Amino acid sequence: EAQVTQNPRYLITVTGKKLTVTCSQNMNHEYMSWYRQDPGLGLRQIYYSMNVEVTDKGDVPEGYKVSRKEKRNFPLILESPSPNQTSLYFCASGLSYNSPLHFGNGTRLTVT
Amino acid sequence: GQQLNQSPQSMFIQEGEDVSMNCTSSSIFNTWLWYKQDPGEGPVLLIALYKAGELTSNGRLTAQFGTTRKDSFLNISASIPSDVGIYFCAGHPNAVNYRKLIWGLGTSLAVNP
Repeated sequence: EAQVTQNPRYLITVTGKKLTVTCSQNMNHEYMSWYRQDPGLGLRQIYYSMNVEVTDKGDVPEGYKVSRKEKRNFPLILESPSPNQTSLYFCASGLSYNSPLHFGNGTRLTVT
Repeated sequence: GQQLNQSPQSMFIQEGEDVSMNCTSSSIFNTWLWYKQDPGEGPVLLIALYKAGELTSNGRLTAQFGTTRKDSFLNISASIPSDVGIYFCAGHPNAVNYRKLIWGLGTSLAVNP
């Protein structure tokens, strides 16, 4: 089944404790992206990747890192999480930047 | 960042009613996409539009790419309870940031059985 898989689905952590949210797609998509969703703010792009080893900042990249060493994986790294990064995070992938996106089921992160 | 103007922000309707929502921009777009997000899930593509004037249906859903290329609408006919969710419009602008997918803030739909 074609899908984007994010892990974990839920994560509660404390301020400053490094964490990684994994994202994997099995559709051989070149384009991958991370979004955060907050009430009243819609979906805001954090980082995106046009292909392996090619990543770029989205609208809200501060406090996040990404890497794209393999086509299928696009992990989101929070080196030192803070409470304002409490949010619902989505990973998405597409054939290219202008193709419809397939989304994962989300990761709900709480930073205390 | 840039956002699309999506309206209405929320709707509460009776089962069986038709629904209409739209998305506008002050600039021209090359693509319009409509997504639905069920509670607790990621958005799922409903309809993709690539050409001005294009009218596309997906079951009870119909969407159009406005002829000015600055707007799009989504209609849902004969709503049912499973239509509940948040509907997002998104699109690629015809500008230097053409690679960027711009999003609306969503229309939250509630259906009373």
